Amino acid sequence: DVKVTQSSRYLVKRTGEKVFLECVQDMDHENMFWYRQDPGLGLRLIYFSYDVKMKEKGDIPEGYSVSREKKERFSLILESASTNQTSMYLCATIRGGTDPVEQFFGPGTRLTVL
Amino acid sequence: GEDVEQSLFLSVREGDSSVINCTYTDSSSTYLYWYKQEPGAGLQLLTYIFSNMDMKQDQRLTVLLNKKDKHLSLRIADTQTGDSAIYFCAEGLFGNEKLTFGTGTRLTIIP
Repeated sequence: DVKVTQSSRYLVKRTGEKVFLECVQDMDHENMFWYRQDPGLGLRLIYFSYDVKMKEKGDIPEGYSVSREKKERFSLILESASTNQTSMYLCATIRGGTDPVEQFFGPGTRLTVL
Repeated sequence: GEDVEQSLFLSVREGDSSVINCTYTDSSSTYLYWYKQEPGAGLQLLTYIFSNMDMKQDQRLTVLLNKKDKHLSLRIADTQTGDSAIYFCAEGLFGNEKLTFGTGTRLTIIP
């Protein structure tokens, strides 16, 4: 079974803090994704990575950056957290070159920015 | 992919059928998916349908696809309390690992 873990289930930070969200997968998958989930808006893609040190912006990258130094780990960074970044953050992973696509998700990190 | 729309809420009595609807706008979508998110968990793939199919059945789940109207539905027969979750439809293109997810429908089961 694919296991995708996220470093925290709940996180509370203050406005202006730098925030790191970590995601680790154990299945040697090439592709990893960061989404945010908000009621009524569904899942929106922030960034994705298709290989180590490779990244691409998703639909809402503003205010975020990412790091992928090792294949199994994909980090989402909020350089200066703001209250409008309060959300549920979900990490997902898939093996490259497969159809249909099955994305495997972590349990999510609920971030509150005060 | 472009916008994928769903109703936000659905309430169904236990034992009845649930029908969750989705409309999408990208006519070049190759696969359409249904994901389930149980409380406190990430999403899990429930089922999918290839765009050249009209219907797919898998135990209690029936997926219907109307390509002309860009309409996808998920029918859950004999709905149980364990079916309480948020259901997301998603569309994808062949060879593209990115999916476009809908807004999600929260299914509530009434005892």
